[in-house]
Amino acid sequence: GQNIDQPTEMTATEGAIVQINCTYQTSGFNGLFWYQQHAGEAPTFLSYNVLDGLEEKGRFSSFLSRSKGYSYLLLKELQMKDSASYLCAVRVYNQGGKLIFGQGTELSVKP
Amino acid sequence: EPEVTQTPSHQVTQMGQEVILRCVPISNHLYFYWYRQILGQKVEFLVSFYNNEISEKSEIFDDQFSVERPDGSNFTLKIRSTKLEDSAMYFCASKVEGTEQYFGPGTRLTVT
Repeated sequence: GQNIDQPTEMTATEGAIVQINCTYQTSGFNGLFWYQQHAGEAPTFLSYNVLDGLEEKGRFSSFLSRSKGYSYLLLKELQMKDSASYLCAVRVYNQGGKLIFGQGTELSVKP
Repeated sequence: EPEVTQTPSHQVTQMGQEVILRCVPISNHLYFYWYRQILGQKVEFLVSFYNNEISEKSEIFDDQFSVERPDGSNFTLKIRSTKLEDSAMYFCASKVEGTEQYFGPGTRLTVT
């Protein structure tokens, strides 16, 4: 089967750093994506990893360890507008490019 | 910046009625997808479409669902006989080879 786990919710302070973890068990792994979703809106792409290591993109970084089935999204210099749901999604081979999403982590940034 | 568009933004229908949800993917994209998200739940894959045919579909995508690309720009999802449990936000997405998927703003479907 395929399973993706993320914490349901997290709270952090404006200006701080937060790490959102994601673990997965899938066969035919072909990349891990992070999306941000504000309430009532579409998911927007943040980051993508297919090889082990860290990908940095401004205030956002994402890390992947394929052997451990583990990824994290790191958000630095948190802003109030970063309050949103963060979705971890896995793509698998030979399944039309579909994404399998985790439940999402609801991040609340407080002043 | 190009974006995926969807219409309508909100559709209310009675149980048993047919609905068609419309999407205009980004113009040079070749891979198209439909996902749904029931309120408070995770985003779920429905179907992927490439080269004018379905390339993958989920267990949710049964005989009541169909997709079509009637012309060079639109991509539609039809639900033939809606059920209460079809109430959800439906997202269309598109991409080119080797890139991330771009999601549209969604259609909120309410079945009464």
